[in-house]
Amino acid sequence: SQKIEQNSEALNIQEGKTATLTCNYTNYSPAYLQWYRQDPGRGPVFLLLIRENEKEKRKERLKVTFDTTLKQSLFHITASQPADSATYLCALDKSGTYKYIFGTGTRLKVLA
Amino acid sequence: DGGITQSPKYLFRKEGQNVTLSCEQNLNHDAMYWYRQDPGQGLRLIYYSQIVNDFQKGDIAEGYSVSREKKESFPLTVTSAQKNPTAFYLCASRSEGSNQPQHFGDGTRLSIL
Repeated sequence: SQKIEQNSEALNIQEGKTATLTCNYTNYSPAYLQWYRQDPGRGPVFLLLIRENEKEKRKERLKVTFDTTLKQSLFHITASQPADSATYLCALDKSGTYKYIFGTGTRLKVLA
Repeated sequence: DGGITQSPKYLFRKEGQNVTLSCEQNLNHDAMYWYRQDPGQGLRLIYYSQIVNDFQKGDIAEGYSVSREKKESFPLTVTSAQKNPTAFYLCASRSEGSNQPQHFGDGTRLSIL
């Protein structure tokens, strides 16, 4: 069955460093992949979308890569700030449907 | 401001009771979704609806029911048949077309009394 894996361990980094989060998937070839941010007790908020024919996408301090050969997406936050502390979720489309598969999320903590 | 409103924020259910979670959107989106989120698990799809008066079961529909009588509204009923209802419930919507992101409400946390 289709599966998405994100690091279940929390990621702690120092302020100003680059945070890199990983999303791996199996048994699927998605048309696109999305990244969301979720704060405690809140709903996820959409950040970035990358299509299967795109290698890289950027938005301000955020960068997403998509390697369909490795079946992996990397999410980078440069010059990280304590306000970036949150859980980050990746999601894949189920092609031909309105459905998505979500990863479990990685909790990021940026230390001041 | 356009968005999705879920209510209540917190809900308590007694044994044998059905409870209904509200979800309203003013984004004019056709598709709406209900997810359940448990600690350490990803979002799991309960039901989704692509248009008014139509909805489909997701991966964990047992013990839940929905209706879609209006475009703006997609209420979820957690029935007494759902034996482990304690969770964080999230409603989402998206516009027509592929590559569209989902917009989420701020969730309802359901607990058992």
